[in-house]
Amino acid sequence: QQQVKQSPQSLIVQKGGISIINCAYENTAFDYFPWYQQFPGKGPALLIAIRPDVSEKKEGRFTISFNKSAKQFSLHIMDSQPGDSATYFCAAKETGANNLFFGTGTRLTVIP
Amino acid sequence: GAVVSQHPSRVICKSGTSVKIECRSLDFQATTMFWYRQFPKQSLMLMATSNEGSKATYEQGVEKDKFLINHASLTLSTLTVTSAHPEDSSFYICSAKTGQSIYGYTFGSGTRLTVV
Repeated sequence: QQQVKQSPQSLIVQKGGISIINCAYENTAFDYFPWYQQFPGKGPALLIAIRPDVSEKKEGRFTISFNKSAKQFSLHIMDSQPGDSATYFCAAKETGANNLFFGTGTRLTVIP
Repeated sequence: GAVVSQHPSRVICKSGTSVKIECRSLDFQATTMFWYRQFPKQSLMLMATSNEGSKATYEQGVEKDKFLINHASLTLSTLTVTSAHPEDSSFYICSAKTGQSIYGYTFGSGTRLTVV
């Protein structure tokens, strides 16, 4: 059973546009929600993360919006660039647990 | 920042042989390390969690006798794929939980295993 549901599976955005990727979960014990960026043949790299006591977190062009009541969180990439073309994974961690549950991934393509 | 080094990045082996993949935390002590498997265009699938000095905890469906995990020190965990077969060909990624933050996870660069 997929603990974290991610959409869309793929996304094509024009350079300069906004990329939006959504994730949803059911487990209210999740207390940490990171987003990872992965380039082909490489391991995931942490982009930005949020805890459920905050509704939004921004780091540069990347913003996480978090809706605790709806159990949803999303990644917004402002001014998307061709170099942002990669696969993005949302994830979640349960309180007291060690492992992360990953979403299914979104392949982002930013066209010039 | 926290760095996890994973070697080798690519390995090709013959069917029936064993392959060892190393995962090292370079600038921090990692009491917990994780091993993932990733198929093309798919998400990361957790295989096992290893804690330094104790036996690894394997996820359901992962053969512990085939995928041997050793976490003998606070900076090194190894995954050995024993008697490898073509269906074991995959991208294997390790991750370490950083000591400075209970929320910090750092990933290695992955190992592409091809069994011929």
